[in-house]
Amino acid sequence: TQLLEQSPQFLSIQEGENLTVYCNSSSVFSSLQWYRQEPGEGPVLLVTVVTGGEVKKLKRLTFQFGDARKDSSLHITAAQPGDTGLYLCAGGYNNNDMRFGAGTRLTVKP
Amino acid sequence: KAGVTQTPRYLIKTRGQQVTLSCSPISGHRSVSWYQQTPGQGLQFLFEYFSETQRNKGNFPGRFSGRQFSNSRSEMNVSTLELGDSALYLCASSLVGGIGNTEAFFGQGTRLTVV
Repeated sequence: TQLLEQSPQFLSIQEGENLTVYCNSSSVFSSLQWYRQEPGEGPVLLVTVVTGGEVKKLKRLTFQFGDARKDSSLHITAAQPGDTGLYLCAGGYNNNDMRFGAGTRLTVKP
Repeated sequence: KAGVTQTPRYLIKTRGQQVTLSCSPISGHRSVSWYQQTPGQGLQFLFEYFSETQRNKGNFPGRFSGRQFSNSRSEMNVSTLELGDSALYLCASSLVGGIGNTEAFFGQGTRLTVV
């Protein structure tokens, strides 16, 4: 059983479209991280959010942490083929390890 | 600075055998965590080592074990391999561990295939 549920599992869109992926849990996390993983590589950290209601922007990516610190979303504006990858969220659990969702596999077609 | 190095990159083993995977963290990082990644289950936490001590453990059977050396390098061992152990094994290093404390850097992983 995943502590963190990510949706959708798969997403295929055209270049230039916007998208939102979600990360939900019944647990409260002290903080939450988003990673992107490309084939043959390990995950790379995109952002850490720590405060309920926090919004962080990274160029065309907008990350939000839910008020109750149980959920998060990642919104991408004007997606590009370079955004293709597996997007993983990870929640702080007992503050000494990370628990990951299964990920959203995004494909952006040119 | 050099990233996280995992060896070997690929491994094929037979059921019943055992395997040892290695992870060299970024210099100065004291925390090493291990994860199993499969298409169906995503990233599953195996264990975390900090200063040669196992600090946290996930829900994996005792066939999965690990250790950390004084130079922070870590190994994980899987004994009596099963077909279901086929996966990408990732290690992540960080300064002190714990999400939100510091960024975790992942290696490229070891892809283990059990036949």
